[in-house]
Amino acid sequence: QQPVQSPQAVILREGEDAVINCSSSKALYSVHWYRQKHGEAPVFLMILLKGGEQKGHEKISASFNEKKQQSSLYLTASQLSYSGTYFCGTEYYGATNKLIFGTGTLLAVQP
Amino acid sequence: NAGVTQTPKFQVLKTGQSMTLQCAQDMNHEYMSWYRQDPGMGLRLIHYSVGAGITDQGEVPNGYNVSRSTTEDFPLRLLSAAPSQTSVYFCATRPDSYEQYFGPGTRLTVT
Repeated sequence: QQPVQSPQAVILREGEDAVINCSSSKALYSVHWYRQKHGEAPVFLMILLKGGEQKGHEKISASFNEKKQQSSLYLTASQLSYSGTYFCGTEYYGATNKLIFGTGTLLAVQP
Repeated sequence: NAGVTQTPKFQVLKTGQSMTLQCAQDMNHEYMSWYRQDPGMGLRLIHYSVGAGITDQGEVPNGYNVSRSTTEDFPLRLLSAAPSQTSVYFCATRPDSYEQYFGPGTRLTVT
């Protein structure tokens, strides 16, 4: 079952902040965040695990609310390079080998 | 170290033809997956594998077969191509509960 992402699209000016949300109706084991630029493959941003453990490559922050089965990705002081489509991927208890992605959030950062 | 490679990059098939999309990785990852990406649908999981000899179905497995005889290779077979299978196909690999690495993708058109 696909997680639900919101908003579907957002337009920002450089320097503005954005929040992208990901929610599930099933108990989450982990949440992944990826960014995809047009014509390219998705690239890993962050993984959040049950218990609060986080692993990421970039200076991007995210939260994982285990009670609400939700995760949020925080993009602060946005740069032009942040533009792209953001996907959350979820693993559920009992199926931790299956990474299921949401339909994506299109982020456009304008000068 | 090539990471994840996919061949071919582009392919045009006629309805009813069969073909195999190749995926190879040199990172010794146990987990491998196939996704298809269509506009507005996000990344949908077709099949996945947790190791050589072990495969399972994802969200949209109909019309596709996989096998995993080695850790390195995870081919995706289209049995009888249909226009609905026109899509971009991504192969991905990862170690347990860590970031997923995507291949560059194969753009398939079925006429």
